Amino acid sequence: DTGVSQNPRHKITKRGQNVTFRCDPISEHNRLYWYRQTLGQGPEFLTYFQNEAQLEKSRLLSDRFSAERPKGSFSTLEIQRTEQGDSAMYLCASSWGVGELFFGEGSRLTVL
Amino acid sequence: GQQLNQSPQSMFIQEGEDVSMNCTSSSIFNTWLWYKQDPGEGPVLLIALYKAGELTSNGRLTAQFGITRKDSFLNISASIPSDVGIYFCAGLLYGGSQGNLIFGKGTKLSVKP
Repeated sequence: DTGVSQNPRHKITKRGQNVTFRCDPISEHNRLYWYRQTLGQGPEFLTYFQNEAQLEKSRLLSDRFSAERPKGSFSTLEIQRTEQGDSAMYLCASSWGVGELFFGEGSRLTVL
Repeated sequence: GQQLNQSPQSMFIQEGEDVSMNCTSSSIFNTWLWYKQDPGEGPVLLIALYKAGELTSNGRLTAQFGITRKDSFLNISASIPSDVGIYFCAGLLYGGSQGNLIFGKGTKLSVKP
């Protein structure tokens, strides 16, 4: 399978714990994106990278959230001191340049 | 923030029917994308549009980039049961971020009982 790969697919954690999600983009893509989706809503932009440079961060990305793409390949999204409001589907996407984003299957986070 | 108004919110289809949905905004967009999402899965790209007036087909799906650059529509012809799901329009704002794809709230397609 050469699509965008995300893991874990599901994560249940207690409030206050830290969680980390990993995304492996399509190999020839230079851009990688993180989005968040809550029930009944469309995905909302969090941040994106071009190669290893983080080019933009949304206001939604509070200081408890950090994303990295150390070698311009895979990326991690870490949420520290999780809150119940962080419960959502975290989607990763990749693209070659501007335009068509290809999404992974998502990582669903439940904070108890 | 910017919003895309997607309609209808939901619709019921009977196999063989044609389906239409659209997306409108008060802002101008450079790019329109249409996605389909099944429960528990990520969105799957259906069609991408890059020029005002552009009409693009992908099998039974046809989408158009509105002339005003503020709207787009998606048609599905001769619907089949596997068309059920949530369809999202998404766009890149003219003069805006190259990474911030703005999504509508989706159109949920269900099968008539």
